Amino acid sequence: DAGVTQSPTHLIKTRGQQVTLRCSPKSGHDTVSWYQQALGQGPQFIFQYYEEEERQRGNFPDRFSGHQFPNYSSELNVNALLLGDSALYLCASSSSTGFGYTFGSGTRLTVV
Amino acid sequence: AQSVTQLGSHVSVSEGALVLLRCNYSSSVPPYLFWYVQYPNQGLQLLLKYTTGATLVKGINGFEAEFKKSETSFHLTKPSAHMSDAAEYFCAVTNQAGTALIFGKGTTLSVSS
Repeated sequence: DAGVTQSPTHLIKTRGQQVTLRCSPKSGHDTVSWYQQALGQGPQFIFQYYEEEERQRGNFPDRFSGHQFPNYSSELNVNALLLGDSALYLCASSSSTGFGYTFGSGTRLTVV
Repeated sequence: AQSVTQLGSHVSVSEGALVLLRCNYSSSVPPYLFWYVQYPNQGLQLLLKYTTGATLVKGINGFEAEFKKSETSFHLTKPSAHMSDAAEYFCAVTNQAGTALIFGKGTTLSVSS
């Protein structure tokens, strides 16, 4: 049973560019959440998607946007990249009928 | 507002010694509490969780945690440390809506032989 799959695993971008990260949830999960983990810090909640809509959002600027597809997979888009956006981006999936999060291995984004 | 405080950013123990990682939380609603482990360059793996019911929760790899409402604590313990336990540990609480996790800053566990 595949868990949460994220791609790519590593990415290097230049300031001002745009980036798209992808996530496939665990089989049977219909909800996807995204977290940003800066070096030496705990993960911080960006937003959650359910039924193809953003259900809740953390304290992140509008440069961070997302999408959920009918197959429950999700994308995280970040526009106008800043050096401070360098972090590990984690995707977590869950089921709307249960409770518990499964995390992927993350995408390491480096902005230069 | 919900928050988590992990006491001690770095804990060092000898192999075979007791592991104790401290976590205190603040929550305006009955909390759901979690401990996750993160190995270098990897994602988060769930060790254990408390939702309702028994306050002593047993998890994977011999870890357990006790929910103490009066102390607003959820400390993680393991009777005997192994070298393979060396990692970063995160305590988390659900937000008020129950839709997201709020994490502490993490505790790095080092195990020496």
